[in-house]
This record gives sequence, C-alpha cells and structure tokens, in this order.
Amino acid sequence: EPEVTQTPSHQVTQMGQEVILRCVPISNHLYFYWYRQILGQKVEFLVSFYNNEISEKSEIFDDQFSVERPDGSNFTLKIRSTKLEDSAMYFCASSKQITGNTEAFFGQGTRLTVV
Amino acid sequence: QKEVEQNSGPLSVPEGAIASLNCTYSDRGSQSFFWYRQYSGKSPELIMSIYSNGDKEDGRFTAQLNKASQYVSLLIRDSQPSDSATYLCAITGGGADGLTFGKGTHLIIQP
Repeated sequence: EPEVTQTPSHQVTQMGQEVILRCVPISNHLYFYWYRQILGQKVEFLVSFYNNEISEKSEIFDDQFSVERPDGSNFTLKIRSTKLEDSAMYFCASSKQITGNTEAFFGQGTRLTVV
Repeated sequence: QKEVEQNSGPLSVPEGAIASLNCTYSDRGSQSFFWYRQYSGKSPELIMSIYSNGDKEDGRFTAQLNKASQYVSLLIRDSQPSDSATYLCAITGGGADGLTFGKGTHLIIQP
C-alpha cells in the first residue's frame, strides 16, 4: 500500500542551526502538507503546497520556514534558524484532493529536538 | 478562527462494548470531516472520512455527521484492546485548506 515516507525519523540540532526535513508523498497525490505536534498538544497545520507553490499557510509558518519540491518526488520543510520552541513532531501529509475525496495520509513523522 | 472541540477523556470502555466519541466544530463552512487514530508517539492514521449528513459505516466504525448541529461522532462497535488510542477529529473547508484538529479523546478499552 502506498505511503508517505519521512526522513530522518529523529533530528537533534543546536539552536540557531538550519534543518531540512524531507518527505516523499504518495506518488499520485497532488496536495502536500506539513503539520507539527508539540508534545502533549494538538496537531497543527503549517502549510499546504500545490502545483509547485504554497496554497495556504498558518500563522505558525513565518519567515523562518520554507517549503520546496526540489524534484518530482521529494517535498521538504526548511527551518532557517531553529529555536527551542521548534522542538516537536513534524508530519508530512499528502492527498489526491479530488472532488468528494479529500483524505490526507500522514507520514510517520520526524521528531525534531532543538537543544 | 476554526475550532474543533473534543472531550479529552480518558474514556474507559469495556472490551466488546460500543465506544462513542464526539466532536463539535465552529466553522459552518467546513466541508470534510475526518477521524484519525493516533497511538502514543506515532502519526495520525485515517480511520473514517465523512462529507455529508448522516451515517457512514466501515467495518466496526460508524461516523455520524450533523452539519446543522455542527457535530461529528465516531462509534466503535465490539471494542478491542487494540482500539486503545487517542482519536482525533479533524475538519477542513476543502481545496488547499489544511486540517484543523481537535485535541483528541484518549480511549481506553478495558479487557
């Protein structure tokens, strides 16, 4: 069964460093998303991406964040200068987004720890 | 600001019984409604989707949607210990909108 894959599973970085989280969405899906979940809190939407550009973004997705689809399969989230409060699980998701079926499927997540 | 409200629990249900999980939402423009299951330390796993008023059944799971009352529910029949998890209600307006999640209900199935 097709699945969303994310790498790495766990990333430890020093405050102020740049990190890139990587995702391979399901191959025939058109919309890609990043979410984050701080420990003990709810899953929060960061950004959606369609047709090689950002479609929607939340207030959390400020100038330190960027997304890119560098090739036909990968979808990345870059955090330019990490802060302690960026420590969270980051989930990539993808969906077909055809009429009547907007189901989004999640990858296994990357646990980001900023020290 | 879209809000999704769920009782955080824990909700304790005996094995074999029906577990009933509820969710309310604030945005009347919401189009799509989902239930995800999340085990501790894992990612959300899609259980059910529902797009129109009424009931939708899939195996032991039934999702119910009432747009007039802005209410979504999930019933799990013949509950198993493996159903013990946090159940997340999520909504979206469709298109490129991201999902808005509730905080989740922690369900415990007692053997």
